[in-house]
Amino acid sequence: DTEVTQTPKHLVMGMTNKKSLKCEQHMGHRAMYWYKQKAKKPPELMFVYSYEKLSINESVPSRFSPECPNSSLLNLHLHALQPEDSALYLCASSQEGTGIYEQYFGPGTRLTVT
Amino acid sequence: GENVEQHPSTLSVQEGDSAVIKCTYSDSASNYFPWYKQELGKRPQLIIDIRSNVGEKKDQRIAVTLNKTAKHFSLHITETQPEDSAVYFCAVLGYSGAGSYQLTFGKGTKLSVIP
Repeated sequence: DTEVTQTPKHLVMGMTNKKSLKCEQHMGHRAMYWYKQKAKKPPELMFVYSYEKLSINESVPSRFSPECPNSSLLNLHLHALQPEDSALYLCASSQEGTGIYEQYFGPGTRLTVT
Repeated sequence: GENVEQHPSTLSVQEGDSAVIKCTYSDSASNYFPWYKQELGKRPQLIIDIRSNVGEKKDQRIAVTLNKTAKHFSLHITETQPEDSAVYFCAVLGYSGAGSYQLTFGKGTKLSVIP
């Protein structure tokens, strides 16, 4: 089973709201990723967790706050977002983050900031 | 960091013809090269990948070739079908420090298969 799940599928939030995106995998993968994808663009890496520890933060603004409660779950907490943060947010996982392993993407959360 | 160039940005082919998409990369130490297919409104889906110890890999109608000397790799789709229409992204896995690897994506190729 190569499935990564994400909730919610769609999210509309105001600039003063606080919301969270959730990602889950049950493949025993130990690396999980958050990507941001704008329309007609490739995915852009935001964060990498390896063995539940943050290993890469690609200079993402602090209004995005990742959390990895356990090896199966990954959250992205959102606060005081801007309209330009509207995008598809993709979660991915791989067996590990320290070697050559396939990355599998979840279906994404389409976020609209009003 | 890694630099990945992908060409062409758009490609139209007649159903049944072949399609070829090419990517070049900059870091000679990179050693894993996946291809993703993304249909409109859906997730990127891994369709084929190749590691640096292999020059070519085939899976039914799709194949990937790798030239490490020239630092380029290509996706080949034969006998194209309308359901092959999508955006295709190449990617390169590179070492980003602190024991971690990350994918760098090409800008994508929009493939249209005309029935």
